[in-house]
This record gives sequence, C-alpha cells and structure tokens, in this order.
Amino acid sequence: EADIYQTPRYLVIGTGKKITLECSQTMGHDKMYWYQQDPGMELHLIHYSYGVNSTEKGDLSSESTVSRIRTEHFPLTLESARPSHTSQYLCASKGPAGGKAFFGQGTRLTVV
Amino acid sequence: GENVEQHPSTLSVQEGDSAVIKCTYSDSASNYFPWYKQELGKRPQLIIDIRSNVGEKKDQRIAVTLNKTAKHFSLHITETQPEDSAVYFCAAYGGSQGNLIFGKGTKLSVKP
Repeated sequence: EADIYQTPRYLVIGTGKKITLECSQTMGHDKMYWYQQDPGMELHLIHYSYGVNSTEKGDLSSESTVSRIRTEHFPLTLESARPSHTSQYLCASKGPAGGKAFFGQGTRLTVV
Repeated sequence: GENVEQHPSTLSVQEGDSAVIKCTYSDSASNYFPWYKQELGKRPQLIIDIRSNVGEKKDQRIAVTLNKTAKHFSLHITETQPEDSAVYFCAAYGGSQGNLIFGKGTKLSVKP
C-alpha cells in the first residue's frame, strides 16, 4: 500500500548523541518535508526537498541536516541532540503541481 | 517567504451548529490550499483541498472557499458532531519558494 513511513516511532536518547530519523515514501513523490510539532501545536517547517539532490532549509533548521539521495528516502539527522529538541517530528511528501500531501505517523523524540 | 495566518485559535460550538475557520496567505503565487484534521496523538489527515482556479469545493458536511483577490480561504463544517473535535490546520503551497506552509491551527471542540 502506498504510504509514508517513519522510524522509529518513539526514541529516548541522551544529550549530545547523534541521531537519524528515517522517512520513506512509496508514492513516487518528488517533494518531501520535515516538520517539528509539539502536541497539538503549530507545524514548524525544518527542511524540504524538491527532488533527488535537492535540500532546502525551512524557518526552523534546529541544527539538523537532511539528505535526498533517493526519491523515496529523506532522513533527518541531529548532530548533537539537546533537551530543546524534545518534540514530535513529522515527515510529509507531496505529489506534483496541485497534488496532495500526506504525513507519516511521526517520531516522538525525547532528549534527556 | 509565504506566511499563513489562521483564526480563531480555539473554537467551541454546540453539536449541530456550523463552524468556520479562516486563513489568509501572503504570497500571491501560492496555488494550492489544503486543510488537515489532527486528532490527539495522530498524524494530520487531509480532509479537503482547493486549487487556485476554483472558488469553492464541497464534500458532504465540509466546504472550502477561496478568494484569490483578498488572499484568504475558509473551512466550513456544517451539522457538527462530537467526532469533529480536533485541531484543524490550513496550509498554502506553491509560493515563490515552493514549500508547504501551515497556519498555527484551530482547536475545535464540539459539545454534545
């Protein structure tokens, strides 16, 4: 079934650790996005990509990086996690032109 | 870049009443406007969308209107039910930076 998948769903890590949040989609979408969201609150755009080898920073880069080596894969890396990074991270992908955008189930990150 | 403002931030209605949520956008190049519903602990789900060449779209109890000249669009929910209670987000896509920007959300409570 075509969908967008995020792993892990939950993660608790120590301060200073490097982590990578995975996002994969099977819909063949060119555009992919990472958002940070505290429960029920605003969706902050962190990074986005127009396609392979394209990455752009959003308003909230939050000391993270992304890569887009394959169309279906858009991982987010935090080089040195801090308690302020504790949040939910949502990945989304969008079809071309006026195509619809769909979200993954999210990764709930806790940095202790 | 694009800026999306959403009002109100909270909305409480009686079951059976109508609910209206309004959004404005800043980038006249934006051409696609989706609406998402997010229930507690779940990912945002697309409920309806509208493209810039259409003024109104309806799907059962939900409708969206778009005024390109004024750069605002609205979500209308008629005959509200308790299961409509959630946080609703509007978004705009296709501006000069080609990213998907969300409003801050509206928490809708439908009282039985």
